[in-house]
Amino acid sequence: QLQLQESGPGLVKPSETLSLTCTVSGGSISSSSYYWGWIRQPPGKGLEWIGSIYYSGSTYYNPSLKSRVTISVDTSKNQFSLKLSSVTAADTAVYYCARQAVAGPGNWFDPWGQGTLVTVSS
Amino acid sequence: QSALTQPRSVSGSPGQSVTISCTGTSSDVGGYNYVSWYQQHPGKAPKLMIYDVSKRPSGVPDRFSGSKSGNTASLTISGLQAEDEADYYCCSYAGSYVWVFGGGTKLTVL
Repeated sequence: QLQLQESGPGLVKPSETLSLTCTVSGGSISSSSYYWGWIRQPPGKGLEWIGSIYYSGSTYYNPSLKSRVTISVDTSKNQFSLKLSSVTAADTAVYYCARQAVAGPGNWFDPWGQGTLVTVSS
Repeated sequence: QSALTQPRSVSGSPGQSVTISCTGTSSDVGGYNYVSWYQQHPGKAPKLMIYDVSKRPSGVPDRFSGSKSGNTASLTISGLQAEDEADYYCCSYAGSYVWVFGGGTKLTVL
């Protein structure tokens, strides 16, 4: 079945750029039916949608993070990536990647990766 | 885009029913039939329970149901079981390819 796995540094210094990659297995990231999203969860807090990407490269971002976020896709590696610039302690969170349906199959996020904790600290 | 409003916590005894509300605006919950619900156990990734307001993915027990009235969506869990104890999050499409989550509700099974 489809599985997603986040990878990247667990510690990032303030003002630097957070970079994460999500590897998709058991299915193609180039499926026309789905988008691919990033969601984060600060410790002890709720979920926040960061942004999503279509295999063609079309991107959609949370307006509150748009100025600092870049999401890209590499169909040859079946991966998509997140870059968040100028990070502060407020960006400390578990970062999840997920497959996203937005039309035909419905409107949902499923499945999710296991998540990776990124701590912003000097 | 503001987070959707959910009660911080709800509780119920085994066998009872509980309902979790998710209140937004006419720009998100009220404007689209694109509300989904996620269950999250401690230390685990969220799991899709309901999508498009009231549809259940295969494998999700029919004890879980969803509905919407105006700007408020609801998740009802009937016949509560111990394993239902978890955090629950709603999510809504907010137009212009933007999605917003609720703040989460902690369900305690007494």
